[in-house]
Amino acid sequence: AQTVTQSQPEMSVQEAETVTLSCTYDTSESDYYLFWYKQPPSRQMILVIRQEAYKQQNATENRFSVNFQKAAKSFSLKISDSQLGDAAMYFCAYSQSGGGADGLTFGKGTHLIIQP
Amino acid sequence: GAVVSQHPSWVICKSGTSVKIECRSLDFQATTMFWYRQFPKQSLMLMATSNEGSKATYEQGVEKDKFLINHASLTLSTLTVTSAHPEDSSFYICSASPEGLASYNEQFFGPGTRLTVL
Repeated sequence: AQTVTQSQPEMSVQEAETVTLSCTYDTSESDYYLFWYKQPPSRQMILVIRQEAYKQQNATENRFSVNFQKAAKSFSLKISDSQLGDAAMYFCAYSQSGGGADGLTFGKGTHLIIQP
Repeated sequence: GAVVSQHPSWVICKSGTSVKIECRSLDFQATTMFWYRQFPKQSLMLMATSNEGSKATYEQGVEKDKFLINHASLTLSTLTVTSAHPEDSSFYICSASPEGLASYNEQFFGPGTRLTVL
């Protein structure tokens, strides 16, 4: 079974600074997808960024980028120029497919605090 | 963007009663819908996968007789918690994947339903 591990229960960063959230996973598959989701206090899950394992290039979405290390099974999220609105729970997730055919396996989450 | 709604957003019921939660895809047809459970300050756990017109596939450890899932149309899936007990109190979240190339499609999440069993 696949597992996703987030070893940072909580992270704090000053506004406008950069923060990196860690995630490792375990799978025996060669093709899979990885995701970072944001869950603000409203509890609505919001997709932040997605990475296909077959792609060597790291995904980026504006201020959000990932460092995908397939051999190390590591998938960290970097948030640049942190904003107050970035404060939320961040979940790393794994799926065998793009997310549409298979459910997601989530890590335990990292609570991100933005200090003004 | 794709919108998924859930109803109700919050429900309180007495122990022993059954509660139905609806998940609707509002602007797309969903081949596959998923149900997750989230305990306070914890992660989401996949409970089951439902495909329109077929029986749901439950994850190991999830009681299918307690958590009845029906996906009768391409826009509606329901989760019924039967004979609810206080330990069933949780936040239930559904997600839906658009019809088509499901393997490559994103899951769109509903806003969740908070269930409190007294």
